[in-house]
Amino acid sequence: RKEVEQDPGPFNVPEGATVAFNCTYSNSASQSFFWYRQDCRKEPKLLMSVYSSGNEDGRFTAQLNRASQYISLLIRDSKLSDSATYLCVVNKAGTALIFGKGTTLSVSS
Amino acid sequence: DTAVSQTPKYLVTQMGNDKSIKCEQNLGHDTMYWYKQDSKKFLKIMFSYNNKELIINETVPNRFSPKSPDKAHLNLHINSLELGDSAVYFCASSQVLMNTEAFFGQGTRLTVV
Repeated sequence: RKEVEQDPGPFNVPEGATVAFNCTYSNSASQSFFWYRQDCRKEPKLLMSVYSSGNEDGRFTAQLNRASQYISLLIRDSKLSDSATYLCVVNKAGTALIFGKGTTLSVSS
Repeated sequence: DTAVSQTPKYLVTQMGNDKSIKCEQNLGHDTMYWYKQDSKKFLKIMFSYNNKELIINETVPNRFSPKSPDKAHLNLHINSLELGDSAVYFCASSQVLMNTEAFFGQGTRLTVV
């Protein structure tokens, strides 16, 4: 089983749509969780950290379920500029970030 | 000012050659990394250095040798390049060993012909 698994997509949605991405991780000792965004031919950048209580940043909401080892990202009111690859990322102390393969989102007008 | 900068951005070279990629961060971070992103876009950790000391070496062939002259620099030297080494190599840094946000350089697109 891969350490971090994501549905690769692509997700093709119209502007204004709500879209949800899911991610599962295999290592129950994982301690930190993130969503990164990577634009085409660019470097990954942190979108948001993910906390057990769930957290929201504008149109973006992240949830973590430690019991199920499951992480989600919800994007509301999608914009054209949201088109990118979204990377689910986990780590445990003393190790490097482990990236999922990413989920590609394409928002069209 | 660029936080994590790596050079060159593009590198095209023949099989068997030796090449280096340089990375510098001006964030004052203690930890630096090299990641490899292959043609399938999978981003995989290669090395991690903390205060110039090697912390993580993820079963990378010994043709790849990282060098950290100080905690702001982490260079990657590759000997005897092979076709399979073609990928994008990202340098990154973080304040501590990966419990905080990692900042990535722009990447070096290596093509081995």
